[in-house]
Amino acid sequence: GQQLNQSPQSMFIQEGEDVSMNCTSSSIFNTWLWYKQDPGEGPVLLIALYKAGELTSNGRLTAQFGITRKDSFLNISASIPSDVGIYFCAGVYNSLNTNAGKSTFGDGTTLTVKP
Amino acid sequence: DTEVTQTPKHLVMGMTNKKSLKCEQHMGHRAMYWYKQKAKKPPELMFVYSYEKLSINESVPSRFSPECPNSSLLNLHLHALQPEDSALYLCASSQVLAYEQYFGPGTRLTVT
Repeated sequence: GQQLNQSPQSMFIQEGEDVSMNCTSSSIFNTWLWYKQDPGEGPVLLIALYKAGELTSNGRLTAQFGITRKDSFLNISASIPSDVGIYFCAGVYNSLNTNAGKSTFGDGTTLTVKP
Repeated sequence: DTEVTQTPKHLVMGMTNKKSLKCEQHMGHRAMYWYKQKAKKPPELMFVYSYEKLSINESVPSRFSPECPNSSLLNLHLHALQPEDSALYLCASSQVLAYEQYFGPGTRLTVT
């Protein structure tokens, strides 16, 4: 099935540093979603993107929907210890697609922040 | 309020048991989803319901049987599971298909 390539797989950074991660796909998605998941919990939605080229911020987080609609990135500025966790991207097909509503997740980026 | 609730939080069942997982949302969302997540892996889509009708079944074995009795509830009926079915089962909902999905906390299932 469709796969998303998410990178990097893991990151070890110092508190206060900026973080960047991205997802690429061989096919076009209509929606890109970014989630953070803590151990044993469900993923928490961070940012949703619906238009090619769209740049959206949520506090220290900024995400962009690539203009080719095949990629997206997430930036975290001035990282803090509570940013630790696994970050997932997800691509979703819209209702005009035969796979309407189908979502595919990247393999995740594990973030470790050293105080 | 963007809350999706799931019960039970933990479930241990034998391979001959029948059990059900429940999911509920009161956000007026018309799309609901079941995912399976193994340790250190991303969530894998199992089923999608849109307006209470099954719209996607990702070739899930018949020992998993979904049900959407109304727009707020989603069930997953389990029967004759295998140990490899042990995982975190996540429910999610969205306003309609392809909108942002909100996840519940999951049910940790162990099959013995």
